Amino acid sequence: EDQVTQSPEALRLQEGESSSLNCSYTVSGLRGLFWYRQDPGKGPEFLFTLYSAGEEKEKERLKATLTKKESFLHITAPKPEDSATYLCAVCQTSGSRLTFGEGTQLTVNP
Amino acid sequence: DTEVTQTPKHLVMGMTNKKSLKCEQHMGHRAMYWYKQKAKKPPELMFVYSYEKLSINESVPSRFSPECPNSSLLNLHLHALQPEDSALYLCASSRGGTMQETQYFGPGTRLLVL
Repeated sequence: EDQVTQSPEALRLQEGESSSLNCSYTVSGLRGLFWYRQDPGKGPEFLFTLYSAGEEKEKERLKATLTKKESFLHITAPKPEDSATYLCAVCQTSGSRLTFGEGTQLTVNP
Repeated sequence: DTEVTQTPKHLVMGMTNKKSLKCEQHMGHRAMYWYKQKAKKPPELMFVYSYEKLSINESVPSRFSPECPNSSLLNLHLHALQPEDSALYLCASSRGGTMQETQYFGPGTRLLVL
């Protein structure tokens, strides 16, 4: 059975304090790994799709990386507006649905 | 443009009411999805339409009835809901007909069942 585990569950950072969120997965064959950002009461906002180990993608202060067992979302010099829940989801090659992790709730204090 | 729109934003209904949620995308995407999300939980898949045909029903109770009138529109008809159905209902779409492509989510409809 596909499993996606995100850690930590919650993370508090000071503005400018860089850190990483982790998404570890167990799937029979990875077709894609997706990162989303979700603000309270709103729909998930797409951030990145990663397809193969070694792949990296960047957007502003965010950088996503992928290995054969996990993905990291690196946040460099975060700002309070980066506060949100970050969701990771995977799709396996033979799968017909996404498997989501429980999310990491990030709070960035000014 | 990766916009998925949903109406209404908020909905309050009684257990005997009939209401509908609407979702629209104009990106030419061929797969559309309904998800249900409870507080502090990830989205749970309900239905998938691929090329306007229902391809996945995740054993959703019949009080939820999806409809895909055309490739840009997706409706979710609600009837005789229970208070535990209160949640954020999300629509999503993806370019191809499978779930292996990036899904783009709408803002959601916050549903409260009294």
